[in-house]
This record gives sequence, structure tokens and C-alpha cells, in this order.
Amino acid sequence: RKEVEQDPGPFNVPEGATVAFNCTYSNSASQSFFWYRQDCRKEPKLLMSVYSSGNEDGRFTAQLNRASQYISLLIRDSKLSDSATYLCVVNMRMDSSYKLIFGSGTRLLVRP
Amino acid sequence: DTEVTQTPKHLVMGMTNKKSLKCEQHMGHRAMYWYKQKAKKPPELMFVYSYEKLSINESVPSRFSPECPNSSLLNLHLHALQPEDSALYLCASSHELENEQFFGPGTRLTVL
Repeated sequence: RKEVEQDPGPFNVPEGATVAFNCTYSNSASQSFFWYRQDCRKEPKLLMSVYSSGNEDGRFTAQLNRASQYISLLIRDSKLSDSATYLCVVNMRMDSSYKLIFGSGTRLLVRP
Repeated sequence: DTEVTQTPKHLVMGMTNKKSLKCEQHMGHRAMYWYKQKAKKPPELMFVYSYEKLSINESVPSRFSPECPNSSLLNLHLHALQPEDSALYLCASSHELENEQFFGPGTRLTVL
């Protein structure tokens, strides 16, 4: 079983749609959680950190359920510019260090 | 200054060459990272430095040699690479190990 699992998609949605991505992680020692977006042939960019209380940044809402080991990202009113791969990322403590574990990414295509 | 810079952007090298990748950040971050990313895959961690000391080496072959000359700089020395080492090499930094990471634009490496 992969440590971080995501639906690879692609999700093909019209502009203005609401789309939700889900992610599960297997290691309960995971410490912190993030969503990154990555455009083709570019570096991953931090979209938002994810907290148990949930957090919102404009059209983006992220939720964390530690009991179910489940993370979600909701995008409202999708824009063409939201087309990208969305990476669910978990920061795990490893002995005296930490390590980011990436999901394989969910591809989003927003069409006109 | 809120960015991580990497040079060169592109690098083509033969299997007998020696080259170096460079990464720099001026955000006062104390942790720096090297990742390797192949097409359509998530980034794979190679090395972690914390306070200029090597914290994690993910069993990377010795033909990759990291160096952290000071808290702002991270190098990756390359020697006798193989064609399968062709990939996007990403540098990242974070305030501390447990914090979110910020990625540089990467060096796209081709080994002939």
C-alpha cells in the first residue's frame, strides 16, 4: 500500500465547477499536511497547509481528518488557470528528521 | 527575498563528465533538500540537510555527492552519471525540518 494515495484523475471539469480531491495516508505518525500544485515542467508550488480545523484560502478549502487519515481539497468556481496536477503531501517524522511523502498527484483539466 | 534559485536551468552532460548543480536561498531557512523528479511522477527525496549537516541520505548512489557550504547554499556534485539519471532535479528549503518546503525551479538534466 502506498504511504499517500490519491486518485490520479484526470478530472475534466467546465469553468465554474466545484471539484473535490481526496487523499489518504497510511502512517499515523504523520505530522503535517500540505497541498501543492505543479504545472507541466515546473516546480511544485505550495498551495496551502492543511489543519484539523480546516482552512480556507479564497476558492480553496482544505480539510484534515486525523482519525480517518484523510485529507481533502475543494476548489470552487474553477478557473482555466487551475488546470494543473495537485499533489497531496505528508510530512513524516523519521528518527531525528522529517521527510515529505508525496502522493502521485491528481490531474485537473478545466475546460472553457 | 522569498525564492529558491537554482543553476543551471538546463544541463546536458556525458557519462564521463563532472558537473555541479547549485541552489541558493536567502530566506534564513535552516533545512535544504534535493529531489529528483521523472516525468509524470512525484518528486523523490534524495538528501536532507539541517543546519548544514546531512540529515537524510535516501540511499542515493555515490555518483551524486551533496555539499552544503553554508546555510544559504546547497550543491549537488555529479560524476559518472548514467542515462537513467536524466530527470528534473529540484532543490527545496524550509524554515525548519517540520515546516512547509519551498521549491526552486529545478535543473533539467540530460545524460547522454
